[in-house]
Amino acid sequence: DIQMTQSPSSLSASVGDRVTITCRASQGISNQLVWIQQKPGKAPKSLMYAASSLQSGVPSKFSGSGFGTDFTLTISSLQPEDFATYYCQQYNSNPLTFGGGTKVEIK
Amino acid sequence: EVQLVASGGGLIQPGGSLRLSCVASGFIVSSNYMSWVRQAPGKGLEWVSTIHSDGATHYVDSVKGRFSITRDNAKNTVYLQMNSLRAEDTAVYYCVRIRDSGDQYWGQGTLVTVSS
Repeated sequence: DIQMTQSPSSLSASVGDRVTITCRASQGISNQLVWIQQKPGKAPKSLMYAASSLQSGVPSKFSGSGFGTDFTLTISSLQPEDFATYYCQQYNSNPLTFGGGTKVEIK
Repeated sequence: EVQLVASGGGLIQPGGSLRLSCVASGFIVSSNYMSWVRQAPGKGLEWVSTIHSDGATHYVDSVKGRFSITRDNAKNTVYLQMNSLRAEDTAVYYCVRIRDSGDQYWGQGTLVTVSS
């Protein structure tokens, strides 16, 4: 199975900050990576697929990059609605696997 | 508009069975990969099962032989039949559409609680 490792597991940031979350795969997954946002008590929501393609309706303050084993999600200017937990997920091979999550909290 | 409505969860005793349903609208289930992903209370996300457009199915090891994913094309619905349920199957179960591109849409979840 492909292991997905996210860092950090949590971070505190202020409104307006630029935030970067990283995800590393235990083996190459091409660009077959999704970033997912989950707010407390809500269903997860896909933000990006194919590592850098924005899901329809997702604002352009979110961007993604990476290929192979190393990936990043960047939020250019953190807003109150962005405080949530973020997960990466690979869909290169079964079983689909997720990172452990990064909780973004208000400083 | 794409919608996924999951139902069928509830409280069930260990060893019991439940069938979850996911009714889709706004797209054709049989033309997409449809998956179930679960989240235990306070935990992260875990993929459970996928049915491909060609009907092929895949399962996480922990549910193989106990869970079965199927679809009814006429009802545009995907099911997850869960047998021999265990306490560790307690989770919110989400239905997810995945396209070939990797584009995903998540529905709301249904809570399954396995307890005596």
